[in-house]
Amino acid sequence: AQSVTQPDIHITVSEGASLELRCNYSYGATPYLFWYVQSPGQGLQLLLKYFSGDTLVQGIKGFEAEFKRSQSSFNLRKPSVHWSDAAEYFCAVGAEAGNMLTFGGGTRLMVKP
Amino acid sequence: ETGVTQSPTHLIKTRGQQVTLRCSSQSGHNTVSWYQQALGQGPQFIFQYYREEENGRGNFPPRFSGLQFPNYSSELNVNALELDDSALYLCASSLGQGYSPLHFGNGTRLTVT
Repeated sequence: AQSVTQPDIHITVSEGASLELRCNYSYGATPYLFWYVQSPGQGLQLLLKYFSGDTLVQGIKGFEAEFKRSQSSFNLRKPSVHWSDAAEYFCAVGAEAGNMLTFGGGTRLMVKP
Repeated sequence: ETGVTQSPTHLIKTRGQQVTLRCSSQSGHNTVSWYQQALGQGPQFIFQYYREEENGRGNFPPRFSGLQFPNYSSELNVNALELDDSALYLCASSLGQGYSPLHFGNGTRLTVT
């Protein structure tokens, strides 16, 4: 069975600083990986996804993520954080068929002015 | 295009009661998935419906059941409510059975007392 671990429950960064959110997955085959963001009282919005090909993927809002098979990781990065990026971020892995995702526990990002 | 809408937004029920949550898919989407998100945790996959048939289920007991209608809207029914059923229930729609982006609604917050 697949699983996702997000080791950091909370992260605080200063506005303008760089950001990296960690994600480790366990999956028996080639994974389908996703990052979602959730603002308070909202549903989930897809930031980016990795299916195959180039291991560095670009997403919306200036985010990118790098797939590293040897480390079973799919870390999310942003070079300069904005106050509006404060939210909860979820990494997810897709099952063998369809969109039945397994999510990590999430990382809550706080941005200091 | 109309996004995914869920109703009601909030609901309070008593242990042992039954509840029905509703979801309208994004226009053109024929697949609906339901997720349960307990407080402080990542979403957990409940089940998925494609063209009115359940085609995937997570680790949830049979008292969690669902329906998908010809217009692709969906219901989630939970019988014999337990306190641990208190959570945010998220509906997501997508196109087809393969990997297409999930579009999430804002969820229904269920509180069981």
